[in-house]
Amino acid sequence: AQSVTQLGSHVSVSEGALVLLRCNYSSSVPPYLFWYVQYPNQGLQLLLKYTTGATLVKGINGFEAEFKKSETSFHLTKPSAHMSDAAEYFCAVTDSWGKLQFGAGTQVVVTP
Amino acid sequence: ETGVTQTPRHLVMGMTNKKSLKCEQHLGHNAMYWYKQSAKKPLELMFVYSLEERVENNSVPSRFSPECPNSSHLFLHLHTLQPEDSALYLCASSQDTVEAYGYTFGSGTRLTVV
Repeated sequence: AQSVTQLGSHVSVSEGALVLLRCNYSSSVPPYLFWYVQYPNQGLQLLLKYTTGATLVKGINGFEAEFKKSETSFHLTKPSAHMSDAAEYFCAVTDSWGKLQFGAGTQVVVTP
Repeated sequence: ETGVTQTPRHLVMGMTNKKSLKCEQHLGHNAMYWYKQSAKKPLELMFVYSLEERVENNSVPSRFSPECPNSSHLFLHLHTLQPEDSALYLCASSQDTVEAYGYTFGSGTRLTVV
């Protein structure tokens, strides 16, 4: 069975500082990996995805993530945090049937 | 506008009421999903429909009853709910259930059971 672990349920970053959200997964098959963002009182919005090919993927709003098979990781980064990045972020992996398995989420707070 | 529309956005209901949540997508997707999102808990997949046929029911209590009359519409009928059913209910769709491209989510219905 697939599983996703997000390290840290809450992350606080200063405006302009690096954002780093960690995600590790377990999968018995080559995974498809996703990051979603959820703003207050909204649904989940796809930030970026890895399916095949280049292991460094770029998404919306300046975010990117790198698939590292040897580390079974798919960490999300953004070089410079903006106040509008305050939200909850979910890492997800598909299982063998293609259904998404979500991590528990990481709440990001951006301080001035 | 995400392409998946959920109504109502907010719903307060008593434990003896019957209500329905509606989800609509015009993305041409063949699969639709109901998720439950409770505070401090991971997203819980409730139901999966593919081409209007239910393909998964993750041990959801019978007080939740899904309906998929066509590939564009999905309903969640609610009756005799409990306070612990209060949560954000999210609908999502995808091209099909073997999906490498992710899901499109609606904005959710915030349900409060009193």
